[in-house]
Amino acid sequence: AQSVAQPEDQVNVAEGNPLTVKCTYSVSGNPYLFWYVQYPNRGLQFLLKYITGDNLVKGSYGFEAEFNKSQTSFHLKKPSALVSDSALYFCAPGGGGALIFGKGTTLSVSS
Amino acid sequence: KAGVTQTPRYLIKTRGQQVTLSCSPISGHRSVSWYQQTPGQGLQFLFEYFSETQRNKGNFPGRFSGRQFSNSRSEMNVSTLELGDSALYLCASRGLAGSDTQYFGPGTRLTVL
Repeated sequence: AQSVAQPEDQVNVAEGNPLTVKCTYSVSGNPYLFWYVQYPNRGLQFLLKYITGDNLVKGSYGFEAEFNKSQTSFHLKKPSALVSDSALYFCAPGGGGALIFGKGTTLSVSS
Repeated sequence: KAGVTQTPRYLIKTRGQQVTLSCSPISGHRSVSWYQQTPGQGLQFLFEYFSETQRNKGNFPGRFSGRQFSNSRSEMNVSTLELGDSALYLCASRGLAGSDTQYFGPGTRLTVL
């Protein structure tokens, strides 16, 4: 069975500092891995995905994620956080039309 | 290109009633998936439709059902509403490849009283 874990409920960073939101997964075969962001009272916005190839994936709004097969991790990163990055972030393995979502990590960026 | 649209955005129902939610996918997308988001259970997959056929189904009771029309628009229905059905219901559409990204609508907020 596929599963995903986001070990931190909340991540706090100061504006301008680098940020990391952690994700580990358990899937059979070659995984498709996605990151989404959700702002209050909004749907999910796609940030980036890993399909195959380069382990460092670049996405929207300056975000990137590193796929690590040996550690089964897909951590989301950004070199310099913005206050506007404050939101709820979801990691989701899956393929086809069924994504398995983690419980989400709330990112809070202080000015 | 217009995004995924969902109607209505907000609904209030009482226990025992039924409700129908609608989703219009991005033009050209033929796959539509539905998810339920609650504070306690998080985001959970309900079902996926493609070419008017249900392709995949999550672990929800039979009170939750859906359908897809020939224009790819989709509806989901919840019968005999329970208080625990209060949630944000999200619809997503995507292309045909397994690796294709799902794009989400803004959701329908259902409150059951």
